[in-house]
Amino acid sequence: QQPVQSPQAVILREGEDAVINCSSSKALYSVHWYRQKHGEAPVFLMILLKGGEQKGHDKISASFNEKKQQSSLYLTASQLSYSGTYFCGTDYSGAGSYQLTFGKGTKLSVIP
Amino acid sequence: DAGVTQSPTHLIKTRGQQVTLRCSPKSGHDTVSWYQQALGQGPQFIFQYYEEEERQRGNFPDRFSGHQFPNYSSELNVNALLLGDSALYLCASSLAGHVSEQFFGPGTRLTVL
Repeated sequence: QQPVQSPQAVILREGEDAVINCSSSKALYSVHWYRQKHGEAPVFLMILLKGGEQKGHDKISASFNEKKQQSSLYLTASQLSYSGTYFCGTDYSGAGSYQLTFGKGTKLSVIP
Repeated sequence: DAGVTQSPTHLIKTRGQQVTLRCSPKSGHDTVSWYQQALGQGPQFIFQYYEEEERQRGNFPDRFSGHQFPNYSSELNVNALLLGDSALYLCASSLAGHVSEQFFGPGTRLTVL
């Protein structure tokens, strides 16, 4: 079952913050976040494992709420380079083999 | 350190033809997964290869088949092409048994006319 991402699209000015959500109706073992720029391959951002941990890298962080089967990606003080489509990929198997089911994506546009 | 590489970059075929796409995983990785990404959509899992065997398969017909070689590289074959097979085909590699990211290649853009 495909996870649901929200919002579908968002426009930010440089320096503003954004939150992208990824919800599943099935129990998740891990959530993988990727960013894809037009015409390019998806680029890995981070993995969150079952357990509700929060991870961060520079000004991008994410959380995993096991009770709600939801993950959120937080982008703070956005930069022009953050523009792209963000996908969450969900792993339902827990086998570590990463048969990921991706959402439809959230298109983020950062403007000066 | 070369990342995931795919060939060819672009391909144009006609309905009914067959196509083979190739992927070389990132150095040190032993698992290859293939995804189909239609325009404006997220990648959709086709299948995964490990130890030269198909380990998992998504909801794709038997027209889609694959192979993994002893050097971990992989091929995706699609027979009897349909217009709906037009998409970006992405290969991703990972290391089995490790909690680590999948690295994606640049993809092959397939157009079926």
